[in-house]
Amino acid sequence: EVQLLESGGGLVHPGGSLRLSCAASGFSFSNYAMSWVRQAPGKGLEWVSGIVASGGVTFYADSVKGRFTISRDNSRNTLSLQMNGLSAEDTAVYYCAKDMVVSQPDYFDHWGQGSLVTVSS
Amino acid sequence: DIQMTQSPSTLSASVGDRVTITCRASQSIGMWLAWYQQKPGKAPKPLMYMASTLQGGVPSRFSGSGSGTEFTLTISSLQPDDFATYYCQQYGSDSYVTFGQGTKVEMK
Repeated sequence: EVQLLESGGGLVHPGGSLRLSCAASGFSFSNYAMSWVRQAPGKGLEWVSGIVASGGVTFYADSVKGRFTISRDNSRNTLSLQMNGLSAEDTAVYYCAKDMVVSQPDYFDHWGQGSLVTVSS
Repeated sequence: DIQMTQSPSTLSASVGDRVTITCRASQSIGMWLAWYQQKPGKAPKPLMYMASTLQGGVPSRFSGSGSGTEFTLTISSLQPDDFATYYCQQYGSDSYVTFGQGTKVEMK
């Protein structure tokens, strides 16, 4: 059974940093691209960032480019999102999502339960 | 960037009704279109990809159609478990994906 378990969320001050992690199990992690998708309170879904299976290519939404960094450790089946320069607009539940393919952001066939990030003073 | 627009934003329906949600893309995306169902406090649940291919375990009352810029999600006979918010998502670009704003299916 595919499982994606996010961790690292919490309360952070504006301008601060936070690192999210996603522990993957139940599938061959190194064979699939992965993404982060967020959802602000009461709002819709917003794709944030993606990474190809090898980790060699990354993709970002314009709203986070230059502030967020996605990475993966295929030896530990772990996906990460380093978030810097956080603002109130980044407050959201962040979901880790598994792509169906090896390369670009695609259809997400499995999702984690989400990790809440709150940016507030 | 490719924008996705869903209609309606909210849909009031009763159990047994046939329900149709429309999703329009700002440019052609072929059949690179997915649908998700989300209930309050839960992660999105994948329903369908390639516009009309059901994810495993999804009931056959769900169906999808369309290509290019216009797509539909149809629930043939609405069940109590189907009251939720539905999102379309395009993955026709090679570097990003975009979601529609969502359609809430509520009880009439």
